[in-house]
Amino acid sequence: EDQVTQSPEALRLQEGESSSLNCSYTVSGLRGLFWYRQDPGKGPEFLFTLYSAGEEKEKERLKATLTKKESFLHITAPKPEDSATYLCAVQLLAYSGAGSYQLTFGKGTKLSVIP
Amino acid sequence: DVKVTQSSRYLVKRTGEKVFLECVQDMDHENMFWYRQDPGLGLRLIYFSYDVKMKEKGDIPEGYSVSREKKERFSLILESASTNQTSMYLCASSLRVDSGGGQGTQYFGPGTRLTVL
Repeated sequence: EDQVTQSPEALRLQEGESSSLNCSYTVSGLRGLFWYRQDPGKGPEFLFTLYSAGEEKEKERLKATLTKKESFLHITAPKPEDSATYLCAVQLLAYSGAGSYQLTFGKGTKLSVIP
Repeated sequence: DVKVTQSSRYLVKRTGEKVFLECVQDMDHENMFWYRQDPGLGLRLIYFSYDVKMKEKGDIPEGYSVSREKKERFSLILESASTNQTSMYLCASSLRVDSGGGQGTQYFGPGTRLTVL
């Protein structure tokens, strides 16, 4: 069964303390991997899409990387406003036609950045 | 900017009521999706639509139906609400193909917190 696993479930960082979140996937073929940020009580906000191993994308203090089995979201010198739940989702090659648009989500990593 | 709106932020209904959740997107996206999000279970796909009047079941379609009469609007219907349908409902939309050649980054609405008593 295709799976997406995010770790850790929760992470507390001091302001300025860099770290990484992990998204590992056991899927038969990856079409794309997506990162989202979700604030409490709100809808997910799109951050990055990665399509092939070795690809990297950056936005402010965030950098996403992709290998053949996992993706990392690196957070450099985080600030309290980076506190949120970060979701990873994969789009599978196995699906064709309309099904190819589906995303399979991990359960998220809840990040807390303490001032 | 992509804008996805949902008809209500909070909704309280009684068991057995028929419930309509509406979603509207303003970016001419072909695809629209309905998810529910529950603690410990993550986001789960209920239904999606890839064109007007077209729909596909997701992972948990039981107890739900959908309607897409216009491209910009996608409705989720709970035929007879039950307490186990208390959840956060999220709508999303996407293009078939992104400008970068990928297949459809999904953009989400703010969510509807539904409580069924």
